[in-house]
Amino acid sequence: QVQLQESGPGLVKPSETLSLTCAVSGGSVTDNYWSWLRQSPGKGLEWLGHIYYSGSSGDTHYKPSLKSRVLISIDGAKNQFSLKLSSLTAADTAIYYCARLNVETAVLTADLNWFDPWGPGTLVTVSS
Amino acid sequence: SSELTQDPAVSVALGQTIRITCQGDNVRKFHANWYQQKPGQAPVVVIYGTTTRPSGIPDRFSGSSSGDTASLTISGTQAEDEADYYCESRAISDDHPVFGGGTTLTVL
Repeated sequence: QVQLQESGPGLVKPSETLSLTCAVSGGSVTDNYWSWLRQSPGKGLEWLGHIYYSGSSGDTHYKPSLKSRVLISIDGAKNQFSLKLSSLTAADTAIYYCARLNVETAVLTADLNWFDPWGPGTLVTVSS
Repeated sequence: SSELTQDPAVSVALGQTIRITCQGDNVRKFHANWYQQKPGQAPVVVIYGTTTRPSGIPDRFSGSSSGDTASLTISGTQAEDEADYYCESRAISDDHPVFGGGTTLTVL
């Protein structure tokens, strides 16, 4: 089955840019939507954005409040997708998860969309 | 603030039934999903599309919706069900994913 694994630095300085990668195994990134989410310490879950593979680039959607700082890209050759988050502050300290966004088109109801599977997550601390 | 409202914490006696709710106008229009998160682990979907249980999820987990409230019901709650539960749906404003604040379930 599809498995995901996040990788990247555990510590980043304020004002810098975070770069994370999610390696996909057991499936192809050219299928489905792929997402980044995060969870601040002791807090709830937050969707950051997702991407759908479209040729050499991707069709992206971002959380509006983060849109100016977030960039998600996808690499079909390496079977992975990535997150860049710029202008970091302490508020960006969180566990960052990648996940597949499953989409099922429905006829009589709204489409079904759900996150599964998730990577194990990687803790990113923003501190000088 | 979250568009989806969940009770912060609930408790249930071992073997009993508990309903965890998620309230918001979102669920009138969009489906709700439910995720179980145990300490130190990533979330796992237990219900998607409001009522569908993924393969591998015990049938004691069920989902429903009425009006502006989606519910996750656990029948015959087991000790291993103790976890945080998050509902997720779509934002009315822009159709993007949004999560409830989460409910911590304690099994007594």
